[in-house]
Amino acid sequence: NAGVTQTPKFQVLKTGQSMTLQCAQDMNHEYMSWYRQDPGMGLRLIHYSVGAGITDQGEVPNGYNVSRSTTEDFPLRLLSAAPSQTSVYFCASNRHTANTGELFFGEGSRLTVL
Amino acid sequence: SQKIEQNSEALNIQEGKTATLTCNYTNYSPAYLQWYRQDPGRGPVFLLLIRENEKEKRKERLKVTFDTTLKQSLFHITASQPADSATYLCALASSGGYQKVTFGTGTKLQVIP
Repeated sequence: NAGVTQTPKFQVLKTGQSMTLQCAQDMNHEYMSWYRQDPGMGLRLIHYSVGAGITDQGEVPNGYNVSRSTTEDFPLRLLSAAPSQTSVYFCASNRHTANTGELFFGEGSRLTVL
Repeated sequence: SQKIEQNSEALNIQEGKTATLTCNYTNYSPAYLQWYRQDPGRGPVFLLLIRENEKEKRKERLKVTFDTTLKQSLFHITASQPADSATYLCALASSGGYQKVTFGTGTKLQVIP
């Protein structure tokens, strides 16, 4: 099993550009989520999904969009990138819809916005 | 406001000693608490989960305690090894919403040979 796969691993954007961070899991997990990690701030929840067609906001959703058309994929879209979105982004999944139990994380996507 | 605090200063210990990391929280009613390990440039990896009605959990050289009165969890690594050097994250899921797991900032552990 590949687990949780994130692409790209590294990306540099200019302010105002758009892009999509991809996340795929092959464990048939219902729950998926996106976090960003910044120095001194810890991991902060951006958006999460408890199944295909269902998404909800986390702690820091502004500037990000998500959709969940399949169980496997949960892309994160930045419509107009800002320097404040420079961060490391992690996708995570959990086999329980209620998210009880361990989170499986991807290896991260490092985004720099100039 | 809700807050999870971990010692932001690095913890340096000698190989073979027991490392103890602290996680304090305020304004939470946690249903469970988790500990994760994160190596540089990698995603967090799950270590242990302890529920609100449990006092202690063990897994090999790891031990977690959970005191909901003190609002604190302690994470112990016994017989520490240089390979245990990493950042350790504490995470809480509130009884009001398991879907929103909140993480502390982590404590960096350095085990010196």
